[in-house]
Amino acid sequence: KAGVTQTPRYLIKTRGQQVTLSCSPISGHRSVSWYQQTPGQGLQFLFEYFSETQRNKGNFPGRFSGRQFSNSRSEMNVSTLELGDSALYLCASSLSLAESTDTQYFGPGTRLTVL
Amino acid sequence: AQTVTQSQPEMSVQEAETVTLSCTYDTSESDYYLFWYKQPPSRQMILVIRQEAYKQQNATENRFSVNFQKAAKSFSLKISDSQLGDAAMYFCAYIGNSNYQLIWGAGTKLIIKP
Repeated sequence: KAGVTQTPRYLIKTRGQQVTLSCSPISGHRSVSWYQQTPGQGLQFLFEYFSETQRNKGNFPGRFSGRQFSNSRSEMNVSTLELGDSALYLCASSLSLAESTDTQYFGPGTRLTVL
Repeated sequence: AQTVTQSQPEMSVQEAETVTLSCTYDTSESDYYLFWYKQPPSRQMILVIRQEAYKQQNATENRFSVNFQKAAKSFSLKISDSQLGDAAMYFCAYIGNSNYQLIWGAGTKLIIKP
C-alpha cells in the first residue's frame, strides 16, 4: 500500500499570503490529523477529520482551517500568514473505525517558510 | 489535561550497545495508548512501537522493546544492538479515547557512535 502523501513538500510564502497544503491518506484510512512542528513549540495538534467531519481542533487561531473530502483526502489552509507560521506541517492517517486510538501513520511533511 | 515528558534531550550510545530512552506521562484516563515514533533527518515520522494501556505485557518489535509501568505512568524504550540507522529524534506520544489527538513529548536526540 502507498503511504501517506503530502504536497507540496516545500513552500515559500510571504507574510499576509495564504497557503493550502494537501494530504492523501493511506488507502482505506478514514481519519486524517494535522500537526505543526517547530523548534520552539515542538509538535502541536491542529485538527482531526473523520468522514468529512472535524472531530477535534487544537489551540490555533482561526487562520488555520481544514477540510476533508469524500475520498478522505484532506487540505489545510492558513490565511494571512505570519512569520511564526514557518514550520513543518505533518499529516497522519489512521483507520479509526470502532476505536479512536488507531495508530497514526505519517506523511513526509510540508516545510513552510514564511518570509 | 494529559502531558508527556521526555527528560533526556540527548542520549548517545556506542554501536551494538543497548540504550534506554525515558518517558513519563500524566493522565486521568483509564483507556489510552502510548507510542514511540522515530524522526530521522529526513523528518519522516516513523512508528517504532505501540503499547495499549490495558495490556500488562510489554510490547516488543525486533530490537525495540518497552518497559510500561502503568502505576508509575512510565513508558521507556529500550533499543538493543544499536545500529547507525537508529540515529534520530525519538518522540514519546500519548492518545486517549476522548479526543483523537496525539500528545507529544519534547523528544530525545539519539546519537550512535561508530
